[in-house]
Amino acid sequence: DIQMTQSPSSLSASVGDRVTITCRASQGISKYLVWYQQKPGKVPKLLIYAASTLQSGVPSRFSGSGSGTDFTLTISTLQPEDVATYYCQKYNSAPLTFGGGTKVEIK
Amino acid sequence: QVQLQQSGPGLVKPSQTLSLTCAISGDSVSSNSVAWNWIRQSPSRGLEWLGRTYYRSKWSTDYAVSVKSRITINPDTSNNQFSLQLNSVTPEDTAVYYCVRGTYPVGFDYWGQGALVTVSS
Repeated sequence: DIQMTQSPSSLSASVGDRVTITCRASQGISKYLVWYQQKPGKVPKLLIYAASTLQSGVPSRFSGSGSGTDFTLTISTLQPEDVATYYCQKYNSAPLTFGGGTKVEIK
Repeated sequence: QVQLQQSGPGLVKPSQTLSLTCAISGDSVSSNSVAWNWIRQSPSRGLEWLGRTYYRSKWSTDYAVSVKSRITINPDTSNNQFSLQLNSVTPEDTAVYYCVRGTYPVGFDYWGQGALVTVSS
């Protein structure tokens, strides 16, 4: 099975900073990569699909890039409401494996 | 608007069967453009996809290797819902369980409210 590895596992940044999270697949998955945001005590929310397509209603400060094995989620200007854990997921075929998550905090 | 309503016991004894149901409104379990998934989340295992059922002229299921020998996901077309059964549970199966709609190629776009299931005697 394909494994999904995220880095870092946690980060602390200041409001207004640019934040980058990386997700690596153990084998190529083309652009079948999804990003979710989970705020404390809440259900995960779909942010980006097909590696770079923003889900409707998601702020434009979020962006995604990559294909094959290496993917990136970028928050261009970190806001207090972006405190959450972010997960990547492969979505080409079963099993639909998640990455281990990246916890984003405000410094 | 799609809504998923989960139900089932919050406490299961070790070696017994965990059973959860997810009632669907705003969509059909028989839709041929989506899949119906079960996912769980625990501090030790993170988000773990367990399996799915979907209809594409016939019913199909996919299961995670980690639970394949113990899991059954069934659609219930009469009640527009789907279910999870996980046999021979241990304390390691303690987690928050979610039912989720998956849309291709988008991802998991609608989630149930989540249900904490504790495995303990």
